[in-house]
Amino acid sequence: GAVVSQHPSWVICKSGTSVKIECRSLDFQATTMFWYRQFPKQSLMLMATSNEGSKATYEQGVEKDKFLINHASLTLSTLTVTSAHPEDSSFYICSAGLASSYNEQFFGPGTRLTVL
Amino acid sequence: AQSVTQLGSHVSVSEGALVLLRCNYSSSVPPYLFWYVQYPNQGLQLLLKYTSAATLVKGINGFEAEFKKSETSFHLTKPSAHMSDAAEYFCAVSDTGANSKLTFGKGITLSVRP
Repeated sequence: GAVVSQHPSWVICKSGTSVKIECRSLDFQATTMFWYRQFPKQSLMLMATSNEGSKATYEQGVEKDKFLINHASLTLSTLTVTSAHPEDSSFYICSAGLASSYNEQFFGPGTRLTVL
Repeated sequence: AQSVTQLGSHVSVSEGALVLLRCNYSSSVPPYLFWYVQYPNQGLQLLLKYTSAATLVKGINGFEAEFKKSETSFHLTKPSAHMSDAAEYFCAVSDTGANSKLTFGKGITLSVRP
């Protein structure tokens, strides 16, 4: 149980285009979803926290107009990287949380974004 | 604010040897603590978690960790390393409020020598 999927697993795009990444909880309803960014050989950096039906809460320094998060349902959250540039290239990981699980987060497999 | 310290960036052990990965936390109240493992180009998988029940926590793949409040530590151990244990390991902390975010340590790379 507690499986989280991400789509796509990798994407290559041209500079200036927008890319949407989907995060789904497959067998449970997630009270909260989280989006992380991970640079090579580094830890996870929390970008934002989202709850279904409400605006995402962004971490300090994360541009909310560049990284658009939509949490349409209890099983789906999307991250759109708008007007992507090469410096946005990274590994993006989502996770889903359950309030009843002592704040354990269930992680998706990640999306590798490369902006040319 | 909470924080996690994972000393060192790389640990190398021989196959069959003891694995010890250190984690110290800083929190004003007893937190929840987690160890996650990440294989290359994959998401994170939970190894074990401490939620204020037993201080010695057993997880998957033979790993365990002991919560020591006096030392603010939550070190991860495994008696006998396998080649398949080679991966990146992250310690994380959250407070006990619902849906609280995780604060991760910088991670430790574990290598296992044949």
